Amino acid sequence: ETGVTQTPRHLVMGMTNKKSLKCEQHLGHNAMYWYKQSAKKPLELMFVYNFKEQTENNSVPSRFSPECPNSSHLFLHLHTLQPEDSALYLCASSHIPGLESSYEQYFGPGTRLTVT
Amino acid sequence: GEDVEQSLFLSVREGDSSVINCTYTDSSSTYLYWYKQEPGAGLQLLTYIFSNMDMKQDQRLTVLLNKKDKHLSLRIADTQTGDSAIYFCAESPAGGGGNKLTFGTGTQLKVEL
Repeated sequence: ETGVTQTPRHLVMGMTNKKSLKCEQHLGHNAMYWYKQSAKKPLELMFVYNFKEQTENNSVPSRFSPECPNSSHLFLHLHTLQPEDSALYLCASSHIPGLESSYEQYFGPGTRLTVT
Repeated sequence: GEDVEQSLFLSVREGDSSVINCTYTDSSSTYLYWYKQEPGAGLQLLTYIFSNMDMKQDQRLTVLLNKKDKHLSLRIADTQTGDSAIYFCAESPAGGGGNKLTFGTGTQLKVEL
């Protein structure tokens, strides 16, 4: 596997379900990100992890719970979601800004989430 | 807060040049990026430019930056049907906030035969 992978690619869940999204990067990066992409809205940054430590929570509701056990893996645990949470959830990774000469973000293919 | 704006649609004929424009408001933006998203896929980094540059060329892609007007453009030469996608510009501030990208809403490029 190369680059950034995400599983599952598609997920349908009810409002009372609990599920998790997984992201894995094979690029040797130390920063990982969750974004939400909804129709007709700009991409929204949700969480940032630098060296496994959460450095940004962009006012995300607590029904979204991220977990970063190491620099290569990132999870997004979902529970009691709402229909408006249906979106494409994108994971990205990069080097840490300031520690490397470039820190452009590389994205996975996303998980298309539908909440019924 | 920071704001990045793009026009929503652009239609060009195959073989013509495409120019996708972007404006941003954060004067401290240090890095500006162009990403491409094809249907059902994630964002693919196309190119980026540092704010101390005014032009960058990479094969068919030319990025122009007017820092005074906070205007960024992406020119695609000899546009092909495979270039049909949504193009996002993004900016990041300097220093420790450098990994907090702000994205535009995306420009849908349609290439017609």
